[in-house]
Amino acid sequence: KNEVEQSPQNLTAQEGEFITINCSYSVGISALHWLQQHPGGGIVSLFMLSSGKKKHGRLIATINIQEKHSSLHITASHPRDSAVYICAVFARDDKIIFGKGTRLHILP
Amino acid sequence: GAGVSQSPRYKVTKRGQDVTLRCDPISSHATLYWYQQALGQGPEFLTYFNYEAQPDKSGLPSDRFSAERPEGSISTLTIQRTEQRDSAMYRCASSLEPGGQETQYFGPGTRLLVL
Repeated sequence: KNEVEQSPQNLTAQEGEFITINCSYSVGISALHWLQQHPGGGIVSLFMLSSGKKKHGRLIATINIQEKHSSLHITASHPRDSAVYICAVFARDDKIIFGKGTRLHILP
Repeated sequence: GAGVSQSPRYKVTKRGQDVTLRCDPISSHATLYWYQQALGQGPEFLTYFNYEAQPDKSGLPSDRFSAERPEGSISTLTIQRTEQRDSAMYRCASSLEPGGQETQYFGPGTRLLVL
């Protein structure tokens, strides 16, 4: 079983829909990162979370440490949001573990 | 510099050859990470440096892989006796401070193809 699981693996939605991507992990962590990988391959860090909730524009990330779960939400989704979204945890033993990513495709 | 840079951007080599990949982190960033990303897969952690110290090498796939950051700035990743399964995108990232509490800035990657 992977230590970091993301769901769904693939998601296709219509422009404007509210999107939720989930990340569950089984190890103790010091922080969790959400990353966005563009179709061209570049990776951008979206959020770093150790507790609570963060918001940036149309993106919201939440984490529940007790439940070992984080969600990334996109409001009013747009075709330019199409990308792979990756959850990465910084485990307490200093290891960094990535989820396999969620491929999001927003249709115009 | 303005961001993390990596060189070369593409490398094609024959099986059995050694390759060295370079990462230039954002200046003053203490921590530098190396990742391997196979086509269609998420990144896999290889190793990281806090300044010139290398606390964790456990992600390196075999003893053919080694990394250095002798002066705490530029880092190299060397793969000896390359094998076809080493073909992947190799990315580095840097962050201002050690630990997971800082934003990571990713370089563009080096795409390695081993024939």
